Amino acid sequence: AQTVTQSQPEMSVQEAETVTLSCTYDTSESNYYLFWYKQPPSRQMILVIRQEAYKQQNATENRFSVNFQKAAKSFSLKISDSQLGDTAMYFCAFMKLSTDKLIFGTGTRLQVFP
Amino acid sequence: NAGVTQTPKFRILKIGQSMTLQCTQDMNHNYMYWYRQDPGMGLKLIYYSVGAGITDKGEVPNGYNVSRSTTEDFPLRLELAAPSQTSVYFCASRDRGTDTQYFGPGTRLTVL
Repeated sequence: AQTVTQSQPEMSVQEAETVTLSCTYDTSESNYYLFWYKQPPSRQMILVIRQEAYKQQNATENRFSVNFQKAAKSFSLKISDSQLGDTAMYFCAFMKLSTDKLIFGTGTRLQVFP
Repeated sequence: NAGVTQTPKFRILKIGQSMTLQCTQDMNHNYMYWYRQDPGMGLKLIYYSVGAGITDKGEVPNGYNVSRSTTEDFPLRLELAAPSQTSVYFCASRDRGTDTQYFGPGTRLTVL
């Protein structure tokens, strides 16, 4: 069975600094997707970034980028120029292409300080 | 474009009561999902549907039922509410082109 592990329950960063959130996963599959979702205090789940496993190039979305290491089964999220609005829970998620299900990690709570 | 909508936003139930959580999406997605999120935890899949008339169990289906009579709607039914069902419930639909799931705003349910 696939598992997703986020080993950092909480992180903090000062505004304008850079922070990296860790995620590792366990799978024997070769084709899959990886996602980072953000959940601010409003509870809304918001897609931050997605990565297809067959693509070697790391995905980027403005200030958000990933470091995808397929052999190491690692998928970290880097937030550059952190903003107060980045304060949220961040969830890493995995989806095997042959199923229709997302598997979530337990989340990392990120606090951005002024 | 409303995306995924859920009603109600909050609800308090007594043990043994029943209720239906409503979920509607206007993106014409075939795939829809119900998750629950317990405090401090990630989301766990309750049920999902790959199209009208087709549903399947997820990781934690006990105590819940679903139906999918239309592409737009995917209601979740709790028949005999128990305190263990106190949670936040999220509905999602999936864009088959990008395999990305889009979530509703959630329903906070408390069973006392």
